[in-house]
Amino acid sequence: NAGVTQTPKFQVLKTGQSMTLQCAQDMNHEYMSWYRQDPGMGLRLIHYSVGAGITDQGEVPNGYNVSRSTTEDFPLRLLSAAPSQTSVYFCASRTPRGTYEQYFGPGTRLTVT
Amino acid sequence: QKEVEQDPGPLSVPEGAIVSLNCTYSNSAFQYFMWYRQYSRKGPELLMYTYSSGNKEDGRFTAQVDKSSKYISLFIRDSQPSDSATYLCALGGNNRLAFGKGNQVVVIP
Repeated sequence: NAGVTQTPKFQVLKTGQSMTLQCAQDMNHEYMSWYRQDPGMGLRLIHYSVGAGITDQGEVPNGYNVSRSTTEDFPLRLLSAAPSQTSVYFCASRTPRGTYEQYFGPGTRLTVT
Repeated sequence: QKEVEQDPGPLSVPEGAIVSLNCTYSNSAFQYFMWYRQYSRKGPELLMYTYSSGNKEDGRFTAQVDKSSKYISLFIRDSQPSDSATYLCALGGNNRLAFGKGNQVVVIP
């Protein structure tokens, strides 16, 4: 099992550019989430999905879009990048029933200039 | 009152010392308790998981939960330089997860 994978590892964007952060998991987990992590702010939930075709907003959704067409993939789209979106982004997945054990990907480090 | 409180530290200890980390929480709906370890420039890694009050041991690591006081702890015995990382507590309940901000630990050889 590869677990949760994310690409790219690093990205530099100019203000106004758009891009998609990729996330995939091979554990057949129904729940998938995107977080951003900033110094002193901890992990903040951007968007999450409870299954294919179902997504919802988290704590800080503005400027980001998600879709979930398959169980395995959960891409995060930045529509028009802003310097405030400079952060480390983590994708995570877990099963919906019984436990809250969540597994994280290795992260994407994004810089917006 | 914040939902999860975790003192960010940093905490520096000599090699071999016991590391003690803790989180407090306010919502009694949280019934599942986790600790994550995050090395620099890596993703959080699930370290310990428990759902009951009391202690759970795994090697040098002990997770302690006191639901009546809404207080959870992580102890690392015989700390090693390889334990230098940020440790995050996480609480689950009512179909949501809440994370502490993390506590940076440095173990000095």
